[in-house]
Amino acid sequence: AQSVTQPDIHITVSEGASLELRCNYSYGATPYLFWYVQSPGQGLQLLLKYFSGDTLVQGIKGFEAEFKRSQSSFNLRKPSVHWSDAAEYFCAVVEGGSYIPTFGRGTSLIVHP
Amino acid sequence: NAGVTQTPKFQVLKTGQSMTLQCAQDMNHNSMYWYRQDPGMGLRLIYYSASEGTTDKGEVPNGYNVSRLNKREFSLRLESAAPSQTSVYFCASSEGRQGIWNQPQHFGDGTRLSIL
Repeated sequence: AQSVTQPDIHITVSEGASLELRCNYSYGATPYLFWYVQSPGQGLQLLLKYFSGDTLVQGIKGFEAEFKRSQSSFNLRKPSVHWSDAAEYFCAVVEGGSYIPTFGRGTSLIVHP
Repeated sequence: NAGVTQTPKFQVLKTGQSMTLQCAQDMNHNSMYWYRQDPGMGLRLIYYSASEGTTDKGEVPNGYNVSRLNKREFSLRLESAAPSQTSVYFCASSEGRQGIWNQPQHFGDGTRLSIL
């Protein structure tokens, strides 16, 4: 069964600093991978997705993620964090033949001014 | 474009009361989902509906029932509410269907439910 691990429960960065949120998955074949963001009081919003092809994918709000098959990882990055990026971030994986995603437990991003 | 609309946004119930959470999407999506979100637990799937007329249990279905009323609407019912069901409930939809597995989900803004 597929599983997703987000090893960091909380991440604190200063505004303007770079960011990397980690996501590791467990699945035999190449899965479909997603990052979502959840602002307080809101539902989840898709940031980016990876299905195949170029392993570096660009998303909204200046985010990008890189798929590394050898490490079973799909880490989310942003070169310069803005205060408005403070939110909860979820990594999700869907295995081929299913439309049921498995979500990680989330990483809470705190941005200091 | 409303996307996924959930009602109500907030609700307080007493133990043993029943209620139905409503969800509607206007994107002509085939699949719809109900999740609950609890601190430190991420999102847990309660029920899903792969297409109109079908429903299936997810990870935590006990204490809940669902109805896929039509392609647009997917409701979640608590027959006899318990304090353990205090949570934030999210409805989601996606285009996912046979042969198209990789579509992302679109989420509503949630229903915050407290059971006393």
